[in-house]
Amino acid sequence: NAGVMQNPRHLVRRRGQEARLRCSPMKGHSHVYWYRQLPEEGLKFMVYLQKENIIDESGMPKERFSAEFPKEGPSILRIQQVVRGDSAAYFCASSPSGSWGSGEQFFGPGTRLTVL
Amino acid sequence: DQQVKQNSPSLSVQEGRISILNCDYTNSMFDYFLWYKKYPAEGPTFLISISSIKDKNEDGRFTVFLNKSAKHLSLHIVPSQPGDSAVYFCAALRGFGNNDMRFGAGTRLTVKP
Repeated sequence: NAGVMQNPRHLVRRRGQEARLRCSPMKGHSHVYWYRQLPEEGLKFMVYLQKENIIDESGMPKERFSAEFPKEGPSILRIQQVVRGDSAAYFCASSPSGSWGSGEQFFGPGTRLTVL
Repeated sequence: DQQVKQNSPSLSVQEGRISILNCDYTNSMFDYFLWYKKYPAEGPTFLISISSIKDKNEDGRFTVFLNKSAKHLSLHIVPSQPGDSAVYFCAALRGFGNNDMRFGAGTRLTVKP
């Protein structure tokens, strides 16, 4: 009965490299959300995906960031040509449906990205 | 644009006493509010929520109060226990089912034995 899994837990990249963050939702969950937490700030919504579809990417930076949730396998958050400002904790959450309000979202432990 | 604010970065309380965590918001369109708790090296976990049609919601030792006119909500924990020591995030939504949840910066609660 595993919860939401994220890997790697820590990722170090040099400026200009690519970062790939993975999220495996809870079993039976088909909705995935990505958040970013910058130092001393709260979590900020980035993107909401269902299997093979991006439903809402209004919180995603327009350049260098992309996300996918393929039919098979984990959801991937991809950051190209990373910059120091991308250093943050990235959290993934999943839910069995698209509804937020009942607190059905379950968060993973996060991936801490450090850009040197 | 910080639409959800938690002005106290930290709070220290004695075990057995009441902990009161505060949250203010600026967007009058928010109508659903949630509190999450976060331990180090873990993701946030849902604690309690309240709809704008209510002014109070209680779940065991946790009670959330909402003052819509003041755009203020608070989380009361009584009695506080050392295991409650964590970072607490307030979050707000515009409309049930909306995806764009806004979080406050969090308040670190320390409950001393």
